[in-house]
Amino acid sequence: GESVGLHLPTLSVQEGDNSIINCAYSNSASDYFIWYKQESGKGPQFIIDIRSNMDKRQGQRVTVLLNKTVKHLSLQIAATQPGDSAVYFCAERGGSYIPTFGRGTSLIVHP
Amino acid sequence: DSGVTQTPKHLITATGQRVTLRCSPRSGDLSVYWYQQSLDQGLQFLIQYYNGEERAKGNILERFSAQQFPDLHSELNLSSLELGDSALYFCASSVMTDSYEQYFGPGTRLTVT
Repeated sequence: GESVGLHLPTLSVQEGDNSIINCAYSNSASDYFIWYKQESGKGPQFIIDIRSNMDKRQGQRVTVLLNKTVKHLSLQIAATQPGDSAVYFCAERGGSYIPTFGRGTSLIVHP
Repeated sequence: DSGVTQTPKHLITATGQRVTLRCSPRSGDLSVYWYQQSLDQGLQFLIQYYNGEERAKGNILERFSAQQFPDLHSELNLSSLELGDSALYFCASSVMTDSYEQYFGPGTRLTVT
């Protein structure tokens, strides 16, 4: 597959561990946040979203936490599996409905 | 599989040339978005169409243009290509013009030599 980026922050974890991927956003007016997963050679895939009136949202094995005070977003993946290896992007929307994407974090899961 | 298709998968061309990238949205989706992803820039929004009309413009160069056809497929035209245009180009689609959830295609890898 094709690499998404050569200079991304990287998080390496062991299979079965919990992973936490962090994202700082810039626009205090942003009202909606999305996490995407991008596997090598594929397009971004929606994982989970959260609105600004919430501080936590849970999905299947994933939890997103939002701290508006410090403009910080995190994605927690429980019991990380090798199939979770990918680049993870956060995206924010504020003012316009077009999301602004962060640079991404590369997650590497070791079996 | 997101249901969004893009062709071609890979494209290699020379500087100064013109290329056309094609995107078919998911069945029922009226809105199409184009993004550029380069190694040093991340995902950059280029342009959005909704039901044939341009709805939003991002960081799209004047050398680039797009359109959405009556059958809702979209084409992104890149002309007078430069080395710096080498990137992955993604198309995404959504049901409505302001849908929160966008479905991305597999992308077209453009290499300008």
